[in-house]
Amino acid sequence: EIVLTQSPATLSLSPGERATLSCRASQSVTSYLAWYQQKPGQAPRLLIYDASNRATGVPARFSGSGSGTDFTLTISSLEPEDFAVYYCQQRSNWPLTFGGGTKVEIK
Amino acid sequence: EVQLLDSGGGLVQPGGSLRLSCVASGFTFSNYAMAWVRQAPGKGLEWVSSISAGGTTTYHADSVKGRFTISRDNSKNTLYLQMKSLRAEDTAVYYCAKGQYTSGPFDPWGQGTLVTVSS
Repeated sequence: EIVLTQSPATLSLSPGERATLSCRASQSVTSYLAWYQQKPGQAPRLLIYDASNRATGVPARFSGSGSGTDFTLTISSLEPEDFAVYYCQQRSNWPLTFGGGTKVEIK
Repeated sequence: EVQLLDSGGGLVQPGGSLRLSCVASGFTFSNYAMAWVRQAPGKGLEWVSSISAGGTTTYHADSVKGRFTISRDNSKNTLYLQMKSLRAEDTAVYYCAKGQYTSGPFDPWGQGTLVTVSS
């Protein structure tokens, strides 16, 4: 099973700041990595798929990069609605796995 | 608009059974893979099961293999998760999700249905 490790667990930032979230895989997932955003009481929402492709309707301030075992989700300038929990997910190998999440909170 | 409506959750005793449903609308259901993902209270996301567009190929997490069965009825635009021999650790919100492939990415997700396994 591929283990995805997300860091940091919590990121405390102010609106307008840049957020950099990391997801590291225990073995290569090539580019088969997605990022999801989840707000309290809501279902997850797809942000990025296949490492760097923005999903439909996702603002351009969200970007994804990386390949192999190291991936990054960057939010260029935090908006108030971006404070949430972010999960990565690999679809390279079965079973599918998610990272433990990074909470982006208001500083 | 693509919509997924999960239902069927509730309180069930350990060892009991439950069937979840997910009714899809706004897209050609029979063209897409589907999946179930769960989230225990206060915890992260855990993939449970996936099924191909035609329903011929299924995948299950080891934690539910032999106890849960994913299926679909394309004539009814409905996805199912039959759960049996339920355990306390199965307590979670269960989300259905539309997949580009059986492995994802998953977009969108249903609103979730809560399953509580307790005596």
